[in-house]
Amino acid sequence: KNQVEQSPQSLIILEGKNCTLQCNYTVSPFSNLRWYKQDTGRGPVSLTIMTFSENTKSNGRYTATLDADTKQSSLHITASQLSDSASYICVVSSSYSGSARQLTFGSGTQLTVLP
Amino acid sequence: GAVVSQHPSRVICKSGTSVKIECRSLDFQATTMFWYRQFPKQSLMLMATSNEGSKATYEQGVEKDKFLINHASLTLSTLTVTSAHPEDSSFYICSAQGPLTSGGDNEQFFGPGTRLTVL
Repeated sequence: KNQVEQSPQSLIILEGKNCTLQCNYTVSPFSNLRWYKQDTGRGPVSLTIMTFSENTKSNGRYTATLDADTKQSSLHITASQLSDSASYICVVSSSYSGSARQLTFGSGTQLTVLP
Repeated sequence: GAVVSQHPSRVICKSGTSVKIECRSLDFQATTMFWYRQFPKQSLMLMATSNEGSKATYEQGVEKDKFLINHASLTLSTLTVTSAHPEDSSFYICSAQGPLTSGGDNEQFFGPGTRLTVL
């Protein structure tokens, strides 16, 4: 059974600090891995997408890494801001067609940035 | 680009009534849209796949007679929760499958969600 596990479940940090969120997956076959940011009461917004051959991808203060051998990914947030408070969801796709039926969602990490 | 909207953003209704939620792709055509449900502190759960011009495909455990899906055009899919009950209260999110990228992948773009509360 395909699974995506994220840790920690929740995290509280002070504004300006860095943090790293983890994602372990057992999804086969593997197509790509995406990190989404979901603000409370909003839909998910894509931050990064990585395929098998990519091991790092940046989007501003967000940097995602992928180790396809160990099936692990991380999302590093640099110089956190209050607006970074959200749920961060790791999603692994096992299809090149983009069908949602081949997406496995993690349960998310709830990040709270305090002033 | 790649904006997906949902309407309404929030709805409160009495038990037994039906509620319609619209999902629109604003700047691209989407032959396939997806409907998700999300309970508090849980991740998204796929309910059904909506295909333009054909019947929707429902995931196991999702009642197709209760959650009616219509995908009448390439930019609009609707989800109707019929005879809603309090246990149907949830956050409903749609996504639209975008055009094929240069990498050969179809990214999904999510709508902002609709909060349904059934009293």
